[in-house]
Amino acid sequence: GAGVSQSPSNKVTEKGKDVELRCDPISGHTALYWYRQSLGQGLEFLIYFQGNSAPDKSGLPSDRFSAERTGGSVSTLTIQRTQQEDSAVYLCASSLVRADTQYFGPGTRLTVL
Amino acid sequence: QQPVQSPQAVILREGEDAVINCSSSKALYSVHWYRQKHGEAPVFLMILLKGGEQKGHEKISASFNEKKQQSSLYLTASQLSYSGTYFCGTAGGSNYKLTFGKGTLLTVNP
Repeated sequence: GAGVSQSPSNKVTEKGKDVELRCDPISGHTALYWYRQSLGQGLEFLIYFQGNSAPDKSGLPSDRFSAERTGGSVSTLTIQRTQQEDSAVYLCASSLVRADTQYFGPGTRLTVL
Repeated sequence: QQPVQSPQAVILREGEDAVINCSSSKALYSVHWYRQKHGEAPVFLMILLKGGEQKGHEKISASFNEKKQQSSLYLTASQLSYSGTYFCGTAGGSNYKLTFGKGTLLTVNP
């Protein structure tokens, strides 16, 4: 079956613009996670969705970051008024249930000029 | 708190063994190991739960010492395909929010 997909694969934007990153999890997976990976760093947790429960937003670095998950499937991560320090690879992962193995998508490389 | 991985990088010749360590300052419920090749998504290797469990997958195995809050990944008779960056992700009681280390870059040369 298809794995986790993300789009776009690359995004170059100008400082101050808004961007939307999309994640399609594996069909049937109830848990969805967003991570950020900066050069030479590990994966930084951003947000977690589990079914219809309220998301865990504790990892979002500022109020410029938001995410939603519609219909328990596709998720969109939005960054408003992008800054250069937002440049990173944004990875999405999904798991069948909470605490299960997380399967990662290929990521979106965001570059803010 | 981010777990600490050691070493930061290691270079091997094909067939040699390596150990990658992951230490946390917090009590752990589980440790997850992933391998990421350049430009690709991290790929799951194994999960270890508290209880001193040891798991193996072909020539890659791992141990988890919950008292020491440490996990080690063992790669034996390394193959070229083992090259990549290895990350450990740790989880406390919630067991879903993984905190990842900075990674260990493993290079296997012919």
